[in-house]
Amino acid sequence: GQQVMQIPQYQHVQEGEDFTTYCNSSTTLSNIQWYKQRPGGHPVFLIQLVKSGEVKKQKRLTFQFGEAKKNSSLHITATQTTDVGTYFCAGTDSWGKLQFGAGTQVVVTP
Amino acid sequence: NAGVTQTPKFQVLKTGQSMTLQCAQDMNHEYMSWYRQDPGMGLRLIHYSVGAGITDQGEVPNGYNVSRSTTEDFPLRLLSAAPSQTSVYFCASSYSTGVYEQYFGPGTRLTVT
Repeated sequence: GQQVMQIPQYQHVQEGEDFTTYCNSSTTLSNIQWYKQRPGGHPVFLIQLVKSGEVKKQKRLTFQFGEAKKNSSLHITATQTTDVGTYFCAGTDSWGKLQFGAGTQVVVTP
Repeated sequence: NAGVTQTPKFQVLKTGQSMTLQCAQDMNHEYMSWYRQDPGMGLRLIHYSVGAGITDQGEVPNGYNVSRSTTEDFPLRLLSAAPSQTSVYFCASSYSTGVYEQYFGPGTRLTVT
């Protein structure tokens, strides 16, 4: 079945630095979604990528969908303390089933 | 709109007890689902529903029952609680299938002793 893997599991970042989290699927995806969960909160939708090679930006966040539609990345520039939380990717297979990765927990050091 | 609501926020059960986690949405979404979140394991799908009267199993359905009698409500029943069911449970809804943005409820933190 479909497997969505996310790396790294943990990311410690100094405030102001950049970092990237990666999402890889064992099968081709129809789309990929990214969510953010603040500590103690619930996942909140950030963005959806649908097209092969698609790149979308939200302020300091850049999302990319791979050419083969089997991987994705989230790059955050100039990390701020408000970026703390866990970032999940979720891939949809050809049957419309959504599977979440295990998430990347981001800790920001001032 | 209240969005997706869940009750209770916290619950402690003894092994063998049963209970129902409530979930309701007021967005007229057809697709609703239940996830459990455990440390290091992300969100795992328990059960989902593509519309009133239609439910199906997800990745980890054992020990849980669901029903969907209305578009708005999607309760999750624990039949005989076990310590392995200690987790945070999230209900989510979306316009249709997994292709669309998922709206999550605030979660229920369940401890089984």
